Amino acid sequence: EAQVTQNPRYLITVTGKKLTVTCSQNMNHEYMSWYRQDPGLGLRQIYYSMNVEVTDKGDVPEGYKVSRKEKRNFPLILESPSPNQTSLYFCASSLWEGTDTQYFGPGTRLTVL
Amino acid sequence: QQQVKQSPQSLIVQKGGISIINCAYENTAFDYFPWYQQFPGKGPALLIAIRPDVSEKKEGRFTISFNKSAKQFSLHIMDSQPGDSATYFCAAKRGETSGSRLTFGEGTQLTVNP
Repeated sequence: EAQVTQNPRYLITVTGKKLTVTCSQNMNHEYMSWYRQDPGLGLRQIYYSMNVEVTDKGDVPEGYKVSRKEKRNFPLILESPSPNQTSLYFCASSLWEGTDTQYFGPGTRLTVL
Repeated sequence: QQQVKQSPQSLIVQKGGISIINCAYENTAFDYFPWYQQFPGKGPALLIAIRPDVSEKKEGRFTISFNKSAKQFSLHIMDSQPGDSATYFCAAKRGETSGSRLTFGEGTQLTVNP
């Protein structure tokens, strides 16, 4: 089944404790992206990657890191999480950077205490 | 600043009624306008999309109306059903420079009462 998977689905952590949210897609998509969803703000793009080893900042990159060492994986790294990063996070992928349809993962709900 | 503004924030409709969600955008370089549907506990999924060269697109009970001069577009759900209860996001994209980079509206939580 073609899909985007994220792990973990739920995470509660404390301020300053480094964490990684994994994202993997099995559709051989070149383009991958991370969004955060907050009430009243919709989805905002954090980082995106147009291909392996090519990443760039989205609209709200502060406090986040990403890497794209393999085509299928695009982990989101929070080196020192803070409470304002409590949010619902989505990974998405599309065939290539000019393709219209993005496929979203199921989401990761992160709480930073 | 929010480049795509969506209203209303929440909407309650009776079964069989028409649901209407509106979006307005500022950037005239946007050339692709999708609507995403999100059920609780799931990621958003593409519902329907339109490009500015047409004023309306219909897929089953879902219709997008597009007004280029007013920089507005809307989603109409005809004969709304309880199964349509979800959060709906409009979005916009500049295809020629930003690839698949989508700018989303704030979202509308639709509840269809039986």
